[in-house]
Amino acid sequence: NAGVTQTPKFQVLKTGQSMTLQCAQDMNHNSMYWYRQDPGMGLRLIYYSASEGTTDKGEVPNGYNVSRLNKREFSLRLESAAPSQTSVYFCASSPGQDLNTEAFFGQGTRLTVV
Amino acid sequence: EDQVTQSPEALRLQEGESSSLNCSYTVSGLRGLFWYRQDPGKGPEFLFTLYSAGEEKEKERLKATLTKKESFLHITAPKPEDSATYLCAVRYYNTDKLIFGTGTRLQVFP
Repeated sequence: NAGVTQTPKFQVLKTGQSMTLQCAQDMNHNSMYWYRQDPGMGLRLIYYSASEGTTDKGEVPNGYNVSRLNKREFSLRLESAAPSQTSVYFCASSPGQDLNTEAFFGQGTRLTVV
Repeated sequence: EDQVTQSPEALRLQEGESSSLNCSYTVSGLRGLFWYRQDPGKGPEFLFTLYSAGEEKEKERLKATLTKKESFLHITAPKPEDSATYLCAVRYYNTDKLIFGTGTRLQVFP
């Protein structure tokens, strides 16, 4: 069971470059999430998707776009990377609103913007 | 504004020295409170879910409790392998979003 898979694991970008972080889950979950984690800040929600074709902003959405390609995949795009976006990014999934159970996390993508 | 606050930020314990971590929330209409453990370089790993005030859950040396305004994670006779960052998260009504606190970094020394 792979669970939640994120790619890449590490990435270095130059300021102004764009990139897409990929996330896929194999648990048939409805809800998917993107978080960023910075020292002393905990996990902050960037975007959330309750189902295929729907997305909603979280606490820190500025500078990011997302796409829920299908039920399995939820991608996060940085159109013009900035040093302030240096962080560790986590994708997560959960069964859905009706079940109200825990979310499962990927192993993270460590992004550095120079 | 809905908030989740964890304290202390960091905690150093001697092996066997019991203590408690706190998670307080101002979320209205709580649907569930979740505790996670996170080891360095890894994603958070689920520990417990609590749904209503008065509920308690236990797993090995860990016990989680919930009141109307806060949750405690009690660690009894901790071992060095319990060293990690402990995160709490809340989910409130009409959404499936999970909002996290900033975490407590626990270090247990032999």
